[in-house]
Amino acid sequence: GENVEQHPSTLSVQEGDSAVIKCTYSDSASNYFPWYKQELGKRPQLIIDIRSNVGEKKDQRIAVTLNKTAKHFSLHITETQPEDSAVYFCAASGSGGSNYKLTFGKGTLLTVNP
Amino acid sequence: GAGVSQSPRYKVAKRGQDVALRCDPISGHVSLFWYQQALGQGPEFLTYFQNEAQLDKSGLPSDRFFAERPEGSVSTLKIQRTQQEDSAVYLCASRRGLSYEQYFGPGTRLTVT
Repeated sequence: GENVEQHPSTLSVQEGDSAVIKCTYSDSASNYFPWYKQELGKRPQLIIDIRSNVGEKKDQRIAVTLNKTAKHFSLHITETQPEDSAVYFCAASGSGGSNYKLTFGKGTLLTVNP
Repeated sequence: GAGVSQSPRYKVAKRGQDVALRCDPISGHVSLFWYQQALGQGPEFLTYFQNEAQLDKSGLPSDRFFAERPEGSVSTLKIQRTQQEDSAVYLCASRRGLSYEQYFGPGTRLTVT
């Protein structure tokens, strides 16, 4: 089955700096890669996603890049703000008969210091 | 509109008790998923429904875990004879039609003492 590795496990940045979180996946058939933000005690919230036919996607301060050859994808947050502090999870979803379930990384605790 | 809702939000069970966790998906969403999230970990897939059909239950950790969605809307995850290792947050997610995006509920935190 799919295996998703995520690093770093913790990341601390100063407000206004950029943050980058990286994930690798094992199943070359995976074709959908979402990122979720989870605040303490809250539900995971979908913040951005990318499909395998696209190399990069941007939404305001957030961008995701995908390298299918290397099987890795990254989340980039620019101009970080204290409210960006949360745990971020990457995930991957396969194709064909198993394209419905998400396999998650272990998460990255992002702390943005004012 | 209303998002995915789950109840109860917190459940404390004594070891050996049975529990039932409820999920109300977003109206019209045909796909429903259950995930288990241990402390400090990412969610792990348990089971998947398309309408009332349970198409994948490969993630259920044992035969003590059972899920149903009899009318294709509300779903219940039942855990029989709870064990301490069942302590986790149980998340429900729903998805519209064949779209990719999954939307999560707030979860039920189960603590088995």
